[in-house]
Amino acid sequence: KAGVTQTPRYLIKTRGQQVTLSCSPISGHRSVSWYQQTPGQGLQFLFEYFSETQRNKGNFPGRFSGRQFSNSRSEMNVSTLELGDSALYLCASFAGSTDTQYFGPGTRLTVL
Amino acid sequence: EDQVTQSPEALRLQEGESSSLNCSYTVSGLRGLFWYRQDPGKGPEFLFTLYSAGEEKEKERLKATLTKKESFLHITAPKPEDSATYLCVATSGTYKYIFGTGTRLKVLA
Repeated sequence: KAGVTQTPRYLIKTRGQQVTLSCSPISGHRSVSWYQQTPGQGLQFLFEYFSETQRNKGNFPGRFSGRQFSNSRSEMNVSTLELGDSALYLCASFAGSTDTQYFGPGTRLTVL
Repeated sequence: EDQVTQSPEALRLQEGESSSLNCSYTVSGLRGLFWYRQDPGKGPEFLFTLYSAGEEKEKERLKATLTKKESFLHITAPKPEDSATYLCVATSGTYKYIFGTGTRLKVLA
């Protein structure tokens, strides 16, 4: 069974631009969560989608948004990028029955 | 407030020197306790899920245990390839995932 995939793996953007990251969950998984990981803050929860609906949301500004499609694939968007948005963005999916999340390899975003 | 605390923050071991990592949790309605391994620049890799006090899981040199207040990840005779950050995560009754800050393990040859 294929794991969680994320594209692109690396991105370099400049301040003020916007970016869209994509995540494909494990086949059959209906829930996708997004996390931001930085050396200083560790893993921070952005939001979770289940069956195309946002189920939980973390404490991030409205510049961070996401959506989930009917095939469970998810995208997150960050508008008006700031230097502090440089981070590893992780996507995780889980089936629900075991609560176990499986993470993708991440997208490394660098904002210059 | 739900909280997960891991200790120590960093640990250096000689190859073959067994030790334990600690994860203390305060979570209302604990649904599950998870351990992950993360290598630099990569996504966390799932290791174990524990659901109830007294439960134990093993995989190669790793063994995870759970009590009502904490979980331990025991590493027996570690090798340099076990060097990584180990993350402890708890889920609450509201499907929230509470992450610890991790223990950075370095095993020296």
